[in-house]
Amino acid sequence: GAVVSQHPSRVICKSGTSVKIECRSLDFQATTMFWYRQFPKQSLMLMATSNEGSKATYEQGVEKDKFLINHASLTLSTLTVTSAHPEDSSFYICSAQPTNYGYTFGSGTRLTVV
Amino acid sequence: DQQVKQNSPSLSVQEGRISILNCDYTNSMFDYFLWYKKYPAEGPTFLISISSIKDKNEDGRFTVFLNKSAKHLSLHIVPSQPGDSAVYFCAATISNFGNEKLTFGTGTRLTIIP
Repeated sequence: GAVVSQHPSRVICKSGTSVKIECRSLDFQATTMFWYRQFPKQSLMLMATSNEGSKATYEQGVEKDKFLINHASLTLSTLTVTSAHPEDSSFYICSAQPTNYGYTFGSGTRLTVV
Repeated sequence: DQQVKQNSPSLSVQEGRISILNCDYTNSMFDYFLWYKKYPAEGPTFLISISSIKDKNEDGRFTVFLNKSAKHLSLHIVPSQPGDSAVYFCAATISNFGNEKLTFGTGTRLTIIP
């Protein structure tokens, strides 16, 4: 089946540094990928829609300058958390749609900012 | 504005019995609904979905029921097994045949008691 690979699975970084999270579609082309964030005991919140070859579409309240999204190819989207702070610590998940109604999720990235 | 709601944050069910997870939505434009299962530190795994043209969809131990007039759907798991212990999210989308965004509920933690 369609697989989305997300790396790293876990990252700890110092406050003020930047962290890049990669999301790859392994056996299909993804013109669109979605980035979600999950806070403890809360729902998965859509942060942005990443479009290959064009600018990402950010949801209301998400700082586009802080969460940089690049979708340079049909199989790779990256999310960079810039100047990370402890409040950015969270679980980030990407997903893609290999078919019209099929969503495949990455395994997620646990970011801890210390 | 939480358009998809799961009002029970947790549910405990005896092994072998039926687990019923509920989900309500407010946006009448939603026409496709999905259930996901999520283990800690992993991405969601697709379980089952239903289109608004149906009121029931069954796949093995999992059945989803949709009541459009009440804007309510439920996931039935029978018989419940210990491996079913996880957080379950319902999600909804508006069919756009491409790039649909999922709106997730807040999740219900299901614990199966051996």
